[in-house]
Amino acid sequence: GNSVTQMEGPVTLSEEAFLTINCTYTATGYPSLFWYVQYPGEGLQLLLKATKADDKGSNKGFEATYRKETTSFHLEKGSVQVSDSAVYFCALSGGNTDKLIFGTGTRLQVFP
Amino acid sequence: DADVTQTPRNRITKTGKRIMLECSQTKGHDRMYWYRQDPGLGLRLIYYSFDVKDINKGEISDGYSVSRQAQAKFSLSLESAIPNQTALYFCATSDSVAGAMNEQFFGPGTRLTVL
Repeated sequence: GNSVTQMEGPVTLSEEAFLTINCTYTATGYPSLFWYVQYPGEGLQLLLKATKADDKGSNKGFEATYRKETTSFHLEKGSVQVSDSAVYFCALSGGNTDKLIFGTGTRLQVFP
Repeated sequence: DADVTQTPRNRITKTGKRIMLECSQTKGHDRMYWYRQDPGLGLRLIYYSFDVKDINKGEISDGYSVSRQAQAKFSLSLESAIPNQTALYFCATSDSVAGAMNEQFFGPGTRLTVL
């Protein structure tokens, strides 16, 4: 079945450091891929998405490219801020449903 | 006002009690979902509904039931709560319109503790 694997956290960085959070997936067909972010005490918010191979999703300085050849959707940001501290979830959906399959989440902690 | 609201936000209850968590949305979406979040496990789908007359089990539906009272309302019930149902519960919605790219919109969550 479909699944998503994320790197375990926490990821601890200093402000202005480069961020990569790895995400790989297993799916039949051509899933849509998402990154959601959960700030402390809040629900999940969509951060970015991509629907086909080689698409790049971007938002708030974050980027992720849909790589079908490596079945990956790694999240990157060139310069993180303290306000980026949150839990990041990679997810996929596919077929004719909206059901999302989530990774286990990666906690990012950014220190001044 | 929030588009997806959940009540209560926090609840502490005892083993064996019946609990209902409620979700309302003003986004006009036809699809609604209930997830639970546990540390290290991410979010897991409990039930989902694609319209008022459609209810489907997710991957962890045992011990839960749902009711879709209207397009805007989707409630989750624990008929007899047990401690391993202690978790953070999220409601979500999505639009079936083609091209919506399956984006889901989440409520703020309900933290449930079963003693």
